[in-house]
Amino acid sequence: RKEVEQDPGPFNVPEGATVAFNCTYSNSASQSFFWYRQDCRKEPKLLMSVYSSGNEDGRFTAQLNRASQYISLLIRDSKLSDSATYLCVVTFYSGNTPLVFGKGTRLSVIA
Amino acid sequence: GEEVAQTPKHLVRGEGQKAKLYCAPIKGHSYVFWYQQVLKNEFKFLISFQNENVFDETGMPKERFSAKCLPNSPCSLEIQATKLEDSAVYFCASSQLGGVRGSYEQYFGPGTRLTVT
Repeated sequence: RKEVEQDPGPFNVPEGATVAFNCTYSNSASQSFFWYRQDCRKEPKLLMSVYSSGNEDGRFTAQLNRASQYISLLIRDSKLSDSATYLCVVTFYSGNTPLVFGKGTRLSVIA
Repeated sequence: GEEVAQTPKHLVRGEGQKAKLYCAPIKGHSYVFWYQQVLKNEFKFLISFQNENVFDETGMPKERFSAKCLPNSPCSLEIQATKLEDSAVYFCASSQLGGVRGSYEQYFGPGTRLTVT
């Protein structure tokens, strides 16, 4: 079983749509949780950290369910510029420890 | 600086040649991480530093890979005697000492694309 699992997609959605990505992680002791986005041939950019209480940043909402070992990302009112690969990332230990990446979910927003 | 800097952007080496990659973390960040991204988005952690000290090297192939972070110099990742399978994008990331709400965020540089022919 992979440590961080994501549906690879692709998700093809029209502009203005709402789209949700899910991610599961195998290590119940995982400490920190993030969503990164990666554009083709570019570096991962931190989209948001995911906290137990859930958090929202503009059109983006992230949720964490520790009991189910599940993280989600909701994007509302999709823009063309949201087209990218979304990476679910966790750390297994507290502090400045290595990131463990999912393989990413590809999103294409279509005009 | 305000961003993680990596050089060179691209590096082409023949099998058996040496490759050396450089990374300058965000100013004020104490931790540096190296990751390797191969096909299909597989990220592999290689090594991390806290300032000049190796913090975690559990992902580092021992035989041909080495890394350093020296005071007042960019960090470096060196591959001796490159192999075809070393072809990948190598990303450097940095993070600050204290986390934010318990979350230790890492910020990535633009990467170095290594092609071994």
